Amino acid sequence: NAGVTQTPKFRILKIGQSMTLQCAQDMNHNYMYWYRQDPGMGLKLIYYSVGAGITDKGEVPNGYNVSRSTTEDFPLRLELAAPSQTSVYFCATGRAEKLFFGSGTQLSVL
Amino acid sequence: GQQLNQSPQSMFIQEGEDVSMNCTSSSIFNTWLWYKQEPGEGPVLLIALYKAGELTSNGRLTAQFGITRKDSFLNISASIPSDVGIYFCAGGLFVVGSEKLVFGKGTKLTVNP
Repeated sequence: NAGVTQTPKFRILKIGQSMTLQCAQDMNHNYMYWYRQDPGMGLKLIYYSVGAGITDKGEVPNGYNVSRSTTEDFPLRLELAAPSQTSVYFCATGRAEKLFFGSGTQLSVL
Repeated sequence: GQQLNQSPQSMFIQEGEDVSMNCTSSSIFNTWLWYKQEPGEGPVLLIALYKAGELTSNGRLTAQFGITRKDSFLNISASIPSDVGIYFCAGGLFVVGSEKLVFGKGTKLTVNP
């Protein structure tokens, strides 16, 4: 039982490049979330989804897009990478009071 | 946005010592959560608190939901090297049709053997 799987684990992007961070869960949860974690800071919610076909913005959605075509997958898209998007990104599933996190994607934009 | 004040920011202790950390807010929450994050991993839920005044233990960890609903405390007794990590508090406000979860900035714990 893998839980929440994120790929890739590390990535370096040039300014202006695009990429998709993948997240897959096998826990059959309806709710999925994307957070970013900056050094010395708490987690900030980027986007979340309450089920397939439904997504909504979190606290810091600018520069990101998401889609949720299946219960299992919740990819996060960066269209024009900027240095301010250098961060560690965590995908999570479950209800908000009991979240299960993936192991994160460390992204650097140079 | 809403913020939580988590303190201390970091702690360096000797194995066997007890640890205390806390989280305060200017807003009321109806749920308090404590997570631990180890290097290269995502946070893992340690304790969830749902009622003002509630005191809950998980092994050597004890957490309390403050009576004012604006704060929470986590204590670790008799620390061991594997307690090393970053501990995050999170305040939750969950009502029908709405949910909000705010994370503190974390307390980095180092345990010297």
